Amino acid sequence: DIQLTQSPSSLSASVGDRVTITCRASQSISSCLNWYQQKPGKAPKLLIYATSSLQGEVPSRFSGSGSGTDFTLTISSLHPEDFATYYCQQSCGALEWTFGQGTKVEIK
Amino acid sequence: EVHLVESGGGLVQPGGSLRLSCAASAFIFSRYDMHWVRQVTGKGLEWVSGIGTAGETYYGGAVRGRFTTSRENAKNSLFLQMDSLRAGDTAVYYCARMNPHRGLEYWGQGTLVTVSS
Repeated sequence: DIQLTQSPSSLSASVGDRVTITCRASQSISSCLNWYQQKPGKAPKLLIYATSSLQGEVPSRFSGSGSGTDFTLTISSLHPEDFATYYCQQSCGALEWTFGQGTKVEIK
Repeated sequence: EVHLVESGGGLVQPGGSLRLSCAASAFIFSRYDMHWVRQVTGKGLEWVSGIGTAGETYYGGAVRGRFTTSRENAKNSLFLQMDSLRAGDTAVYYCARMNPHRGLEYWGQGTLVTVSS
């Protein structure tokens, strides 16, 4: 099965900072990579699907890129409501999906 | 507005069984793949299972052979039958709807399953 490794596991940042989270797959997953945001006590929220497509009304400060095995989620300018945990997830093939271990974005 | 509501969680002894339900509303349920994802308190997300529109099912390695996902389109409902439960299955279980691009775009609020003696 495909493993996803996110880095860093956590980070401290200030409002207005640019934040980048990486997700590395153990084998090529083409562009089948999604990103989610989760706040405490809430269900995850889909931010980006298929590597770089913004879901619904997700703000444009969020962006995704990558292909193959290396992917990034970038928040161009951190807002107070962006402090949360972010997960990547691969949905390549039907047999088994996986999530990364998560990256917690905390206030510096 | 799309709405997913899980139910059926609770306390069960190791080795026991539990059946979770997910009631869907405000969309044509039969046209969407549906998934189960779980989360141990304070830990990360774990994909559990998925079911396609034709009823084909997929399972994560940790639950394969013990859990069974099914759907009843006439009742807009998704189910997760969990057998041979272990302490490690203790988690909040979410149902989620997959979008055409294979992202999980709508989630329920989750239901807590506790496996303990």
